[in-house]
Amino acid sequence: GQNIDQPTEMTATEGAIVQINCTYQTSGFNGLFWYQQHAGEAPTFLSYNVLDGLEEKGRFSSFLSRSKGYSYLLLKELQMKDSASYLCAVLDSNYQLIWGAGTKLIIKP
Amino acid sequence: DTAVSQTPKYLVTQMGNDKSIKCEQNLGHDTMYWYKQDSKKFLKIMFSYNNKELIINETVPNRFSPKSPDKAHLNLHINSLELGDSAVYFCASSLGGGEISNQPQHFGDGTRLSIL
Repeated sequence: GQNIDQPTEMTATEGAIVQINCTYQTSGFNGLFWYQQHAGEAPTFLSYNVLDGLEEKGRFSSFLSRSKGYSYLLLKELQMKDSASYLCAVLDSNYQLIWGAGTKLIIKP
Repeated sequence: DTAVSQTPKYLVTQMGNDKSIKCEQNLGHDTMYWYKQDSKKFLKIMFSYNNKELIINETVPNRFSPKSPDKAHLNLHINSLELGDSAVYFCASSLGGGEISNQPQHFGDGTRLSIL
C-alpha cells in the first residue's frame, strides 16, 4: 500500500526554527509537495521537490532524499502566523497525488 | 480575481436530501479535483477530471457524482445525504495532468457540509 507519515502535532517558539519531517512509501515517485493550511482555510502551495537536495524559498526550505523516502520542511524565524497545518503529498508513478494527514504546528510566544 | 471559487461556503441540510456544490476556476487549468476533508483534517481525493478522463477514488460511494459542463467547471452532486457525509469539501485545479501533474494544485475555500 501507499503510505505517508508525518507527526500529528508539533510546538515551537516564535523566532525559532522547526523541522517537519515526512516519510513516504509509494508506488513510484514523481515529486513531493508541501502545502500549508490555516485553520478553516484552503491548502496553499509551498514547495515542490523532485531531485535530492535542499530548495530554499525565503524563510521556508524543503529537503528531499529519494533513496531514504524522506523529506522535511524547515521553517526559520518562526512567526505567529506560521501556526497552521503542513501537508506533505507525493506524486506516485501514476501521477496521482497521495496526501499525508498533515502536521499541526503550534507557535508559542 | 478569485482563482478557484466554490459555492456555497456553508451547506446545512437534512439526511436523505440531494445537494450540489459548484466549482469554477478561471486559471485556464486542464484538471480539476474534489477532495473531502473530515474532522481529523485528512485530505482525501474523491475525483480528478480533465477533458480526457475521470478518475474516481473507488472508496467514494456512488451517491457522489461529478458533473463537468465545461473545462472551467466541476460540480459535485450528492444523493441521499448521510450523517457521515458531514465534512469540508474542497475543489482544486491544476495545469495539465499526467506528466504535467507536478504543477501545484490551487484550492477553493471549501464548502462546509453539515448533515442534520
